[in-house]
Amino acid sequence: SQELEQSPQSLIVQEGKNLTINCTSSKTLYGLYWYKQKYGEGLIFLMMLQKGGEEKSHEKITAKLDEKKQQSSLHITASQPSHAGIYLCGADIRSSGSARQLTFGSGTQLTVLP
Amino acid sequence: NAGVTQTPKFRVLKTGQSMTLLCAQDMNHEYMYWYRQDPGMGLRLIHYSVGEGTTAKGEVPDGYNVSRLKKQNFLLGLESAAPSQTSVYFCASSYASGPTLSEQFFGPGTRLTVL
Repeated sequence: SQELEQSPQSLIVQEGKNLTINCTSSKTLYGLYWYKQKYGEGLIFLMMLQKGGEEKSHEKITAKLDEKKQQSSLHITASQPSHAGIYLCGADIRSSGSARQLTFGSGTQLTVLP
Repeated sequence: NAGVTQTPKFRVLKTGQSMTLLCAQDMNHEYMYWYRQDPGMGLRLIHYSVGEGTTAKGEVPDGYNVSRLKKQNFLLGLESAAPSQTSVYFCASSYASGPTLSEQFFGPGTRLTVL
């Protein structure tokens, strides 16, 4: 979706390196959801961010929401081959009323070289 | 709990044929969604439902129809398949807590090829 831009489109890193994936919205973010997808499989929910400045971590993955910039970042510390996959951000950018659907970015393909 | 299940997992159709994809969830979620995923385009919403008996159009609804006769099931139909509908189809479900949308739970996907 052009309303939600992810960068980079693909990323190749050496095992042990840190990396960051960004998700930028052209509209106000009411919620931001990060997912991971392995090839040929469904999406696995990672984290949800709702408040500006909110930061959540799970194991070596940290996600932040910058409300003013309408942007979220996903940071992986000391990457491992198990982190490889496609990372997608989904956003609640409702035009009116309560949230009913998410808009997704095009995804970031992450490869971690052993 | 099985979560969200989809049938079939794979299907090959000829142009003009019809088929129905079935999605089932056992989490008592109100909301259900059908997406298609194409290379470089992420997930695009086809149709969704906010409750039994209700459906709404998403971003790319043309060529598809849906029905939500039971809360736990959401069907996606292709009346006359076209090669442009070759894609991976994902079903998802979620609940809502006031104005906030919960995370969506996804099925494993259906890989459809239209020749």
